[in-house]
Amino acid sequence: NAGVTQTPKFRVLKTGQSMTLLCAQDMNHEYMYWYRQDPGMGLRLIHYSVGEGTTAKGEVPDGYNVSRLKKQNFLLGLESAAPSQTSVYFCASSSIRGPGDTGELFFGEGSRLTVL
Amino acid sequence: QKEVEQDPGPLSVPEGAIVSLNCTYSNSAFQYFMWYRQYSRKGPELLMYTYSSGNKEDGRFTAQVDKSSKYISLFIRDSQPSDSATYLCAMSVNNAGKSTFGDGTTLTVKP
Repeated sequence: NAGVTQTPKFRVLKTGQSMTLLCAQDMNHEYMYWYRQDPGMGLRLIHYSVGEGTTAKGEVPDGYNVSRLKKQNFLLGLESAAPSQTSVYFCASSSIRGPGDTGELFFGEGSRLTVL
Repeated sequence: QKEVEQDPGPLSVPEGAIVSLNCTYSNSAFQYFMWYRQYSRKGPELLMYTYSSGNKEDGRFTAQVDKSSKYISLFIRDSQPSDSATYLCAMSVNNAGKSTFGDGTTLTVKP
């Protein structure tokens, strides 16, 4: 019962370095999301995907790229990290099962990124 | 102005107290209203869900939605130390899962 798994859980980068966060879900969900959480600012949507091969911008997409080559995986990339990208990143997934369903988001445990 | 505003907290109450957590919103298209609970260094988990206006009760928890006032609340009765967490309200236009979150209220229940 893994649910949503994020790797790595912790990472320290220097300004200008690149990295990729991996999210994997084993619930066969169609939708996947990347959020960032900063103190006092709640969860803000970066990018999301409504199915394999699709991606869309969320509220704060600048400086990030994403890919969904397989239904179960959603990758978040930082091409040139900046100190403003220091945050906790959460991946989530959801599925639509029919009218009245909640569209509940299932979250991973987060990836803590520090950019020096 | 943010679409969803949540009472900032933090909130500290004694064990057994009644807790009220509140959010207001500006987007009248929101139809789905949720409360997520987030323990320290964990991901959020769905606690309560309400569609449109009305009340929903689950054990010690009651969620209320007043669409005419664009106001939602979560009440916790007989609060316990295990309720200590950050509570996030979330709303969406449809049940496709793309939600807008409040900033969260951190609650501490003292024994």
